[in-house]
This record gives sequence, C-alpha cells and structure tokens, in this order.
Amino acid sequence: NAGVTQTPKFRVLKTGQSMTLLCAQDMNHEYMYWYRQDPGMGLRLIHYSVGEGTTAKGEVPDGYNVSRLKKQNFLLGLESAAPSQTSVYFCASSTRGELFFGEGSRLTVL
Amino acid sequence: SQQGEEDPQALSIQEGENATMNCSYKTSINNLQWYRQNSGRGLVHLILIRSNEREKHSGRLRVTLDTSKKSSSLLITASRAADTASYFCATDETGYSTLTFGKGTMLLVSP
Repeated sequence: NAGVTQTPKFRVLKTGQSMTLLCAQDMNHEYMYWYRQDPGMGLRLIHYSVGEGTTAKGEVPDGYNVSRLKKQNFLLGLESAAPSQTSVYFCASSTRGELFFGEGSRLTVL
Repeated sequence: SQQGEEDPQALSIQEGENATMNCSYKTSINNLQWYRQNSGRGLVHLILIRSNEREKHSGRLRVTLDTSKKSSSLLITASRAADTASYFCATDETGYSTLTFGKGTMLLVSP
C-alpha cells in the first residue's frame, strides 16, 4: 500500500518547455488535488478533481492544466514553463476529510 | 488568498515543555485541520475538528476551535525532539476538502 506517489521527484526545465507531473493513489479515493508550496506562502491549491473525468480550478490555476482520466491518477501539466512556476508541487487525495499527501515534486524552471 | 494564519511563525522550546500554536481564519468553515511537515517531506494529517466541535484530543495533541472568534489552537504536550517540524492549519470551507492552508509555524524542540 504505497498511498500517494508522485513522479518525478525532481525536475529542471528551461523556460518555455513543457512537462507533466503524475500523481497516483491506491486508496480508491474520489477526490484528488494539486497544491504548490513556495517559501513563506504555505500551500496553495492549483486544481482539484471530485471524481474520474472531472476537474476544477483552485486558487492559482493559471499556467497549469490537469486531467483525471482514471480514478487513481491525476496529472498536472505545464504547457510553457515560466520561472514563476519554480516550486514544490504536492498531490493529495481524500474521501472528503483528511488529505493524504505525496512526498512532493521539486520543479526548477531556469 | 490565505485563509488561516498561524501564530507564532516560529517557536523554540526544550524537550518536555508544551508547545502552543494558534490559527486564525476569516470565513465560515466546515472543519479545520492541522498538519505536520518534516523538512523536505509531504504533509501528514494530525487532527480534524468540525465546526460544531469545541475541543478534540489525539494522544499528546489537543485542538480547540472557537468559531465565534474564528480561531483554533494546537497544543502539543510533553514535546520531544522528534516533534520538530512545521505545523499548518487548514480550513475546509466547501466540504470538498479543498483546504486553504496557513503559512505555518516552525517548531524546534531542543533535547
């Protein structure tokens, strides 16, 4: 039982490149979330999903897209990376209560 | 926008002492949750208190909620060096666990 798994754990991009972060959960949770964590800012919600095939915007959705084609997976895409997207990204899942977090993906955009 | 704001931003105590962290928020909530984050790791859920509850206990943790003052406190009793971490409060306004996090309190417990 791995819980919430994020890949990759580290990535360095150049401005304008694209990439996808993958989140997988094995707890059969309906809800999944992507947050970003910046120094001194706490965690901010990017996008979330309340079920397979559904997505919704969070507090800071600009520059990101998401997809939830399978219940266990939630993908976060950056179409054209910008230095402002340098951050640590956390995926989480829940059943409308406590959140279970992955270990994070550290992204640097040069 | 940040909903919860923790106070203090940093707290340094000795092992065996109690640690108290406070959280204030702005709007009505379904529940309030506390999380812990060790350096470089993901967040771990500690405790959830619903809007109709006033106090909750879990092991060495005690959480209070005052909805009239829009505030919560987390008390860790008999702190250990292993409690060294950042602690975040998070509010659920929608009921879908789309949590809004505060900026956190960094707790350092010295042996």
